[in-house]
Amino acid sequence: AQRVTQPEKLLSVFKGAPVELKCNYSYSGSPELFWYVQYSRQRLQLLLRHISRESIKGFTADLNKGETSFHLKKPFAQEEDSAMYYCALCWPGTYKYIFGTGTRLKVLA
Amino acid sequence: DAGVTQSPTHLIKTRGQHVTLRCSPISGHKSVSWYQQVLGQGPQFIFQYYEKEERGRGNFPDRFSARQFPNYSSELNVNALLLGDSALYLCASSPMGVLGNEQFFGPGTRLTVL
Repeated sequence: AQRVTQPEKLLSVFKGAPVELKCNYSYSGSPELFWYVQYSRQRLQLLLRHISRESIKGFTADLNKGETSFHLKKPFAQEEDSAMYYCALCWPGTYKYIFGTGTRLKVLA
Repeated sequence: DAGVTQSPTHLIKTRGQHVTLRCSPISGHKSVSWYQQVLGQGPQFIFQYYEKEERGRGNFPDRFSARQFPNYSSELNVNALLLGDSALYLCASSPMGVLGNEQFFGPGTRLTVL
C-alpha cells in the first residue's frame, strides 16, 4: 500500500545545529512530494515541494527516487523553526494526497 | 481575503447522529479537499472536488459524503456518527484541480462524538 513514513515523532535540536527531518514513501511511480508545516496556533501551510526545487526559510528537500526518500534539511536551525512538519505525497492521476504522521521539531535555545 | 473559512469551529454530537460541516474556499479557488485528522496523526484524505465534481475519494465509508456548490463552497456530511469519527476536519482549497497544486488549509472543525 502507498504510504508516507516519518519515523520521528519528536526531534529536538539546539539553535544553530543542522536539522534533518526524515520522510520515506512507498510508491512505485513518480509522485509529487511536499513538506507542510504548522506553527503554533496557525494553519497548516505549504513549506516546499520537490517540483519547484526551491529553498524556503533555509529549508531544502531532495527527492531520492532510489531510496524513496524526501528528507527536509536545514543547515542551521532557528528557534522560529519549532513547529509540526508533515511530509505529503500526491499520486499522479488520482488527486489523492497522503500525509505522514508528522514530526514535531523543537529548537532549543 | 480571510483565507479558507470553516464552520462551525467546534461541534459535539452523539452516536448515530448526522453532521454537516461547511467550507468556503479562498476567492478564485475552484478546488476543495476534505481531510480528517485524528489526534497524533497526519491529515487523512477524504474527498476532493473541482468544479462541483468529485475528483478524488479516500478510504472512507459511504457514511461520508460531500458536495460543492456553484460558488465553490463545500459541505461534508457524515451520517450515523461513530465514536471514531471524533477528529479535526480540515478543508483545503487550491486554485485548480491540478495535481501538485498548493493547498491552502482552513482552521478546521473539531468534531466530538459522545
